[in-house]
Amino acid sequence: NAGVTQTPKFRVLKTGQSMTLLCAQDMNHEYMYWYRQDPGMGLRLIHYSVGEGTTAKGEVPDGYNVSRLKKQNFLLGLESAAPSQTSVYFCASSLPDVQDTQYFGPGTRLTVL
Amino acid sequence: GQSLEQPSEVTAVEGAIVQINCTYQTSGFYGLSWYQQHDGGAPTFLSYNALDGLEETGRFSSFLSRSDSYGYLLLQELQMKDSASYFCAVRAEDDKIIFGKGTRLHILP
Repeated sequence: NAGVTQTPKFRVLKTGQSMTLLCAQDMNHEYMYWYRQDPGMGLRLIHYSVGEGTTAKGEVPDGYNVSRLKKQNFLLGLESAAPSQTSVYFCASSLPDVQDTQYFGPGTRLTVL
Repeated sequence: GQSLEQPSEVTAVEGAIVQINCTYQTSGFYGLSWYQQHDGGAPTFLSYNALDGLEETGRFSSFLSRSDSYGYLLLQELQMKDSASYFCAVRAEDDKIIFGKGTRLHILP
């Protein structure tokens, strides 16, 4: 099992460009999450999904959109990237009754110039 | 507001015991989790406490006191590979997980 995978691993964007980060999990987890991590900060929840076709806002949702068209995939979109979105992005997944046990992907390091 | 407080850095000696504290102030509380993250790596789950008391998993133990809004992670027989950042996390209202800013553990030989 691959667990949770993220694509791409690194990306550099110019201000105003758009991109989509892909998260995939093969553990049949219902719940999926997108976090961002900035230096000296913990993980901050951007958006999450409790099942296929559903999404909800987290702590810092502005500037991001998400979609969960398939149970195993959770996409994070940046429509118009800003330097403030330079960060490391982590995807995670969990079972619905053990949400406190989350499995994380390796992360995507995004730089916006 | 919702907040978790943990020390930014802790230093300990190889073979010793270290305790990393976490105090929380959240709307609603379901449980306290701990995650480990090595530099450049992803967070990995260590332990979870929903009820008061001590949970032990090998060299790692985690404690929770709901009345004091406090918990800690205890690492015994420290090894150099335990050098990492440790995050406490609380599942609060709306089932959202809130993470602390992390404690960087330095281990001296």
